[in-house]
This record gives sequence, structure tokens and C-alpha cells, in this order.
Amino acid sequence: DVKVTQSSRYLVKRTGEKVFLECVQDMDHENMFWYRQDPGLGLRLIYFSYDVKMKEKGDIPEGYSVSREKKERFSLILESASTNQTSMYLCASSSPPPGLASYEQYFGPGTRLTVT
Amino acid sequence: AQKITQTQPGMFVQEKEAVTLDCTYDTSDPSYGLFWYKQPSSGEMIFLIYQGSYDQQNATEGRYSLNFQKARKSANLVISASQLGDSAMYFCAMREALYNQGGKLIFGQGTELSVKP
Repeated sequence: DVKVTQSSRYLVKRTGEKVFLECVQDMDHENMFWYRQDPGLGLRLIYFSYDVKMKEKGDIPEGYSVSREKKERFSLILESASTNQTSMYLCASSSPPPGLASYEQYFGPGTRLTVT
Repeated sequence: AQKITQTQPGMFVQEKEAVTLDCTYDTSDPSYGLFWYKQPSSGEMIFLIYQGSYDQQNATEGRYSLNFQKARKSANLVISASQLGDSAMYFCAMREALYNQGGKLIFGQGTELSVKP
């Protein structure tokens, strides 16, 4: 079974703190993603990575950065946390078979971050 | 412009009845895939069903089926014989094939389904 783990289920941080959210997958997937989920807005892509040390901005990258030093690990960094970054953060990974579009993304359990 | 639209923020269904969750999409890519995920209150995202743009038949997986109407750009999820465990948030998502490095998924806003006993 594919397993995607996230370092914390719940996290409370103060405004201005630097926050690290860690994600690890154990299936040698090339692609990894960070989403945030907010009520009424669905999942929105923050950043993704399709290879080690490669990263691409998603739809809402402002206020975030990422790091992928090893294939299995993708970190989301909030440089200076703000209250509007209070949200559920979901990590996902996938490995696209050549020529196919039907492969799913596998998700971690999520981190519910509260910034006070 | 919203690429995936789920117009039902919340729905109720009686146990053992069927329910349809709506999803419309917008793309000019001739090759794309449509996905439905379930998110229980525990938070994990569970993949339910997939439909490819070139698939001739509607996808089915157990009690889940996807009513794919390509001309109308809709991909509604049908859950037959609802169970209490079906109470969850449901997300529709799309993957476009062209210029999509990494195979990003675009998600809708979600529909919260509550099954009544």
C-alpha cells in the first residue's frame, strides 16, 4: 500500500513564526504536491515538485516555499506565519505511468494548522 | 474561470436511497481525466472513481458510478444504496493532459453529503 505521512495532524503556531510541514511518501513517486483546503474553496494547489530539487508554483504560492532534497520528502515552509494561513494542509504524491492519465494521487492524512 | 464546479455545498439523503452529486468542468484540452474523492471527517482523501475523456462507457466501482455527459461537460457521481458511512465531503477533480507537468489535479469546492438513518 502506498503510504503518505505528514509530520503532524494538528499544529498551533504564533504569528510570525517559521513553520515547517513535512511530508514523506514510501512508494518512490516522482511527483509530490502541497494543497491547502478551506471551506467552500476546495483544495488549492500551493506548490508541486516533479523531481528532486525541482519545484513549481501552484495557484496560491504566496507566503509559502518548499524544499525537496530527497525523492521521498517534500517540505512546505511558511516563512512568517500569518492568521490567514490557518487551514488544513494536505500532501499528495503520484507516479504517472507513461501515456496514461488515469493514475490517482495518494494523499496524506492532513495537518490542521492554526496560527494565532 | 472556475474549471471544476460543484454547485451543491451540502446534501442530505436517506439511508438506502441513491444520491447524485453534481460536477461540471471546463477545459479545451481534448484529453483529460475526471476523478472523485471522498473525505471523511477524519480528513484522509480516498480515491473513488475515474473517467477518461475518451472512455465510451460510464465508469463504475461497486456502489459508485459516474454519469459522464461529455457534451454537457458534466461528470456527476451517483452513489446507490447510501450507507451511513457515506457521510463525508466529496470532491470532483480534473487532470488535463496537455501542458500539465507533474499531472496536477484541479479540484472543485466539494459537496458535504449527510446520510440520514
